[in-house]
Amino acid sequence: DARVTQTPRHKVTEMGQEVTMRCQPILGHNTVFWYRQTMMQGLELLAYFRNRAPLDDSGMPKDRFSAEMPDATLATLKIQPSEPRDSAVYFCASGFHPGDTQYFGPGTRLTVL
Amino acid sequence: SQQGEEDPQALSIQEGENATMNCSYKTSINNLQWYRQNSGRGLVHLILIRSNEREKHSGRLRVTLDTSKKSSSLLITASRAADTASYFCATDNGNNRLAFGKGNQVVVIP
Repeated sequence: DARVTQTPRHKVTEMGQEVTMRCQPILGHNTVFWYRQTMMQGLELLAYFRNRAPLDDSGMPKDRFSAEMPDATLATLKIQPSEPRDSAVYFCASGFHPGDTQYFGPGTRLTVL
Repeated sequence: SQQGEEDPQALSIQEGENATMNCSYKTSINNLQWYRQNSGRGLVHLILIRSNEREKHSGRLRVTLDTSKKSSSLLITASRAADTASYFCATDNGNNRLAFGKGNQVVVIP
């Protein structure tokens, strides 16, 4: 049963620290998305990749967030330096086409103190 | 950007009853999708309906799409406690992304 995996599942860190979240998309999927979910803002698209190339990262605060896809099996989202307002659940999702079905990972719950 | 809006935002029903929720959107779409999210979990895809389709079924789920009214409905028949979750609609309007609504919380009381 193919699934999107994310690590870590939970992360508590202090303000100013670097945070790296990892995602392994479903094998064969060529589109990968990063979302952030909070109670106030709901689900926000941060960035997405098609065939490992970044297509849109306009949803990310560029000064502190970066997203990469070093190979087809790994996508990373980094926050440096982290701030309390970054506290949220971060989801990775993958699919075959940006507008078709997306398969979500379990999320990384980030708490920045 | 276009965003689906679910209605009602919160729904509480007895087990065995049907649950209906609606989604409205603003611009033309290629498809509309419904997702479920259980507490503390990722979203799970339920059903996709394309713009040229009017109704689709999957198990106890029935989705309708009215492109003239720019709206969709999700019906869950014979609800179960396990159906307690948030339900999101998402639209593909051809700009290479899905626009998600804020979600609809459904509580099924055993």
